[in-house]
Amino acid sequence: ENVLTQSPAIMSASPGEKVTMTCSASSSVIYMHWYQQRSSTSPKLWIYDTSKLASGVPGRFSGSGSGNSYSLTISSMEAEDVATYYCFQGSGYPFTFGSGTKLEIK
Amino acid sequence: QVTLKESGPGILQPSQTLSLTCSFSGFSLTTYGIGVGWIRQPSGKGLEWLAHIWWNDNKYYDTALKSRLTISRDTSNNQVFLKIASVDTADTATYYCARIAGGNFDYWGQGTTLTVSS
Repeated sequence: ENVLTQSPAIMSASPGEKVTMTCSASSSVIYMHWYQQRSSTSPKLWIYDTSKLASGVPGRFSGSGSGNSYSLTISSMEAEDVATYYCFQGSGYPFTFGSGTKLEIK
Repeated sequence: QVTLKESGPGILQPSQTLSLTCSFSGFSLTTYGIGVGWIRQPSGKGLEWLAHIWWNDNKYYDTALKSRLTISRDTSNNQVFLKIASVDTADTATYYCARIAGGNFDYWGQGTTLTVSS
C-alpha cells in the first residue's frame, strides 16, 4: 500500500500569509491530487494531476511536486480557505488518501 | 450536469449486511475511462477508499476490507451498489460515492451516514 503522509496535521495562518502543506508518498506516484473539505460537506476536487486547478479554484492555489514529494501552496491566505486538505493517489491499487492537513485562520 | 446521490439504511445492528446505493446522472458508466467508487469517513476522521467499478466492469477493493466488500452496477438505471458484510461499530461513518475519471474522483455525492449500534 502506498502510504501518503501529510504535514503538518494542523496549521494556522493569518490573512495574507503564504501557506504550504506537503504530502509524502511511500512509493513514487505519477500524479498527486488534492481535495478540499469544509466542515460537514463533501470533499471537492481542488488540484488534479499535481498542478492543475479544478474548476472554480482561486488562482492563489498551486500544486507542485514529483515522484514521492508533493505540496499545495496558497500564496495569500483568505478566510474562505479554512478547510481540511487531503492528498490522494490513484496511480496504483489500493488507492490511498493522506490523513489530511487542517488549515485554520489566525 | 453530473450528480451522484447515496442512499442507505441509516442504522444497522452488528453482524448485519450494509447495502448502499449510488444513483447518478449526467454520465454513463459504459463510457471508456469512467468509474464510480465508494469512500467513507468516520466522524472527525479522514477519508478511506473502499472500492470502485470501471466502465468495463472491472472491480477493485481495499486490501484490508476486500473479504467483506462487494461492488456491482446497474448500467440501465445508472446505479452502483456496495455491500459490506458483517458490520460492526468500526463501520460507523459517512459513506460517499464519487465518479472517477482521469485518475481522480471528480464529482462526489452528499454522503449517507451509517450508525452501527446494538
